[in-house]
Amino acid sequence: AQSVSQHNHHVILSEAASLELGCNYSYGGTVNLFWYVQYPGQHLQLLLKYFSGDPLVKGIKGFEAEFIKSKFSFNLRKPSVQWSDTAEYFCAVNAWGGTASKLTFGTGTRLQVTL
Amino acid sequence: GAVVSQHPSRVICKSGTSVKIECRSLDFQATTMFWYRQFPKQSLMLMATSNEGSKATYEQGVEKDKFLINHASLTLSTLTVTSAHPEDSSFYICSARQAGIKETQYFGPGTRLLVL
Repeated sequence: AQSVSQHNHHVILSEAASLELGCNYSYGGTVNLFWYVQYPGQHLQLLLKYFSGDPLVKGIKGFEAEFIKSKFSFNLRKPSVQWSDTAEYFCAVNAWGGTASKLTFGTGTRLQVTL
Repeated sequence: GAVVSQHPSRVICKSGTSVKIECRSLDFQATTMFWYRQFPKQSLMLMATSNEGSKATYEQGVEKDKFLINHASLTLSTLTVTSAHPEDSSFYICSARQAGIKETQYFGPGTRLLVL
């Protein structure tokens, strides 16, 4: 079964700082990779996704993520964070196999951006 | 587009009663819907996969007789927590996979259940 690890549980950054959130997964086959964001009091929203092709994926609100197959990683990045980026970020993996539609989520990273 | 709603947003009930939570895809047809449970400060745990017109597939450890799922149409799935107990108190979130859109799930706002 696939698993997802997010090593940063709580990250505090000042506005304009650069962001990188780690995500590693364990599965040897083909995967689809996602980053979701959950703003305070709101539902999960899709930030970006990777299915195939260019391993550098650009999403909404200036976020991007890079799929590195050899490292089983899909780290999320943003060059300059804003206070409004304060939220919980979840990495998720959909591993192709008998249960193609199942998403496995990481434990989440709480990002706090200070002014 | 791709909006998913849940009703109610929060519910408080007495132990032993049953609670029904609705999940609707508002502007698309969802052949598959998913029900998750999220504990405070933890990740989402998949409870079951609901396919329109067929029985739900439950994850290991999830009691299918306790968490009844019905997916009667392409836009509606319901989760009924039967004979609720305080340990069932949690945040229940549904998601819907848009038919024809490759493997992307859209999430509802969640339902907070408190069992007294």
